[in-house]
Amino acid sequence: EVLLVQSGAELKNPGESLKISCQGSGYNFATKWVGWVRQMPGRGLEWMGIIHPADSDTRYSPSFQGQVTISADKSVTTAYLQWTSLEASDTAMYYCVTPTGVPSWGQGTLVTVSS
Amino acid sequence: QSALTQPASVSGSPGQSITLSCTGTSSDVGNYNLVSWYQQHPGKAPKLMIYEVSKRPSGVSNRFSGSKSGNTASLTISGLQAEDEADYYCCSYAGSLYVFGGGTKVTVL
Repeated sequence: EVLLVQSGAELKNPGESLKISCQGSGYNFATKWVGWVRQMPGRGLEWMGIIHPADSDTRYSPSFQGQVTISADKSVTTAYLQWTSLEASDTAMYYCVTPTGVPSWGQGTLVTVSS
Repeated sequence: QSALTQPASVSGSPGQSITLSCTGTSSDVGNYNLVSWYQQHPGKAPKLMIYEVSKRPSGVSNRFSGSKSGNTASLTISGLQAEDEADYYCCSYAGSLYVFGGGTKVTVL
């Protein structure tokens, strides 16, 4: 069974950097695409991008290209989502997802950006 | 990729059947049998209800069924129950990425 466990909630100031994580288990991590989904407060789901851990092939949705960096380390079966300079508008719940086969989701990481 | 189109709201009485639509294009819904549906209750993570157009994960009630015709996918909820009141999102593979619909709020009258 695919299990995705995300890092805990974060409270950050505008301008700070952040890297959140998503550790996969119960499957061969290198063989399945892993994606990130944003849900802003009271809003719908948005695909941010996906990465294939075997070769780090990464694809970003146009709205997120250049805004975030998605990476993965197959040696620790973990995918990452990072920002170099957070803004208040980055406040959201972020989910990692393996979209292929039977899709599986992490529990979500709440990121709050506020001064 | 543009978001898939879902009606903002659908309502029904207990016991009725309702159908939620999800309209895309020939670049996403119409070209791949990779449509999934998610149910989300307030404050909760999305729950997978249907994947690959019509497959139900184990543990999901058979009151939920999925289908597709052309560029439009559909989720049917039969025997509507109070617990079905939630937001529902469709999702499709779009050739290199995935795209969601805007979501449909289901209200049980």
